[in-house]
Amino acid sequence: DAGVTQSPTHLIKTRGQHVTLRCSPISGHKSVSWYQQVLGQGPQFIFQYYEKEERGRGNFPDRFSARQFPNYSSELNVNALLLGDSALYLCASSLADRSSTDTQYFGPGTRLTVL
Amino acid sequence: AQKVTQAQTEISVVEKEDVTLDCVYETRDTTYYLFWYKQPPSGELVFLIRRNSFDEQNEISGRYSWNFQKSTSSFNFTITASQVVDSAVYFCALRKGAGGTSYGKLTFGQGTILTVHP
Repeated sequence: DAGVTQSPTHLIKTRGQHVTLRCSPISGHKSVSWYQQVLGQGPQFIFQYYEKEERGRGNFPDRFSARQFPNYSSELNVNALLLGDSALYLCASSLADRSSTDTQYFGPGTRLTVL
Repeated sequence: AQKVTQAQTEISVVEKEDVTLDCVYETRDTTYYLFWYKQPPSGELVFLIRRNSFDEQNEISGRYSWNFQKSTSSFNFTITASQVVDSAVYFCALRKGAGGTSYGKLTFGQGTILTVHP
C-alpha cells in the first residue's frame, strides 16, 4: 500500500507570495495533520483535520490555513510568505479513531524556500 | 502545557557500540502516549514505537529497546550494536490522551543527531 504522499517535493517562492501544499493520506486514514519543521528543530504542529473538520490548530498566524476534501486529501495554504516560513512541511495521516493504537505516519515532506 | 526534552543534541559512536538516546517529558495528563521517530537524511519521519502511559513494560525489537519510567518521566531509546544505517536524527514525541481539541497534536523534542562511524 502507498504511504503518505506530498506534492510538490521542493518549492521556491518570494516574499509576499502565496503557496499551496498538498497531501494524500494512507488509504483508509481519515485524519491529516500538518507540521512545520525549521532546520535544526523538531516539527511544530500546525493543524489537524478529521472528516473535513478542523480538530486542532497550533500557534501559527492566520496566514496559515488548511482544508480537507471528501477523499481525505488535504491542502495547506500559506499567504503573504515571509522568509521565516522557509521550512520542511510535513503531512501525517492516521486513523484518528481516538484509540490507544492511533499513530501518525508521515510523508516525505515539501521543502519550501522563501527568497 | 506539554514539553519534550532531548538533552543530547549530537551523539557520535563507532559501529557496534551501544548507544542510548534520552527523552524526558512533561505533561499534566494522566493518559498520554509517547513516540519515537527516526528522520534519515531524506527527511521523512519514520515511526519506530508508541508507548501508552498506563503500560510501563519495556520493549525490545531486534537491536532496538525502549525504557519507559513514569517515576522519572523518561522514555529512553537504546540501539544495541549500532550500524552505519542507524545514522539519522531521532525524535521523541508526546501526545495527550483522547478527548478535547488538538487530540492529534504531537509535541516533539529538538531531536538527537546520531552519527555511527564505520
